[in-house]
Amino acid sequence: GNSVTQMEGPVTLSEEAFLTINCTYTATGYPSLFWYVQYPGEGLQLLLKATKADDKGSNKGFEATYRKETTSFHLEKGSVQVSDSAVYFCALRPQGYNKLIFGAGTRLAVHP
Amino acid sequence: DAGVIQSPRHEVTEMGQEVTLRCKPISGHNSLFWYRQTMMRGLELLIYFNNNVPIDDSGMPEDRFSAKMPNASFSTLKIQPSEPRDSAVYFCASDSGANEKLFFGSGTQLSVL
Repeated sequence: GNSVTQMEGPVTLSEEAFLTINCTYTATGYPSLFWYVQYPGEGLQLLLKATKADDKGSNKGFEATYRKETTSFHLEKGSVQVSDSAVYFCALRPQGYNKLIFGAGTRLAVHP
Repeated sequence: DAGVIQSPRHEVTEMGQEVTLRCKPISGHNSLFWYRQTMMRGLELLIYFNNNVPIDDSGMPEDRFSAKMPNASFSTLKIQPSEPRDSAVYFCASDSGANEKLFFGSGTQLSVL
């Protein structure tokens, strides 16, 4: 079946530290991959996406590369800010389906 | 555009009562999704509609849950009777089907006592 596995949180970092949140997936065919972010009290927002192998999605200093050989889509940012504190969700859309399957989410806390 | 609009924002009810959650998708979007978020199970897809037709309701937990989309601008998720284990944040989301980007509402925080 289709599933997404994320590293468990919370991840706690100091401002300007390097961030990695691991995400691996199981899917048939060629899914599209996404990272969504949820700020406190809000719904999820799309952060970045990649639709085929070796694509790199990027936005607001975050980036993730679609690695089919390792079935991974790890989220990275070179220098986090306090305002990046949120819950980050990795997700996939199975090929040919119009629905998103989300990972459990990883809470990130950045302190000054 | 106002985005996806959900109501109410918060709902507190007693076990056994009927609960109705409402959603207005973004105008022009032809797909609508209902998700439930809990600490234990994360974000679960309950049901989704395409052009007002339910496509996949395999995530609906049991017969107490039902969802309708009578027209392109309105959907409801009903729980009857409600139980404490239904307490969660329920999100509605919509997309146009073209760019693979889901737009989420702010959610309804449901507490069943």
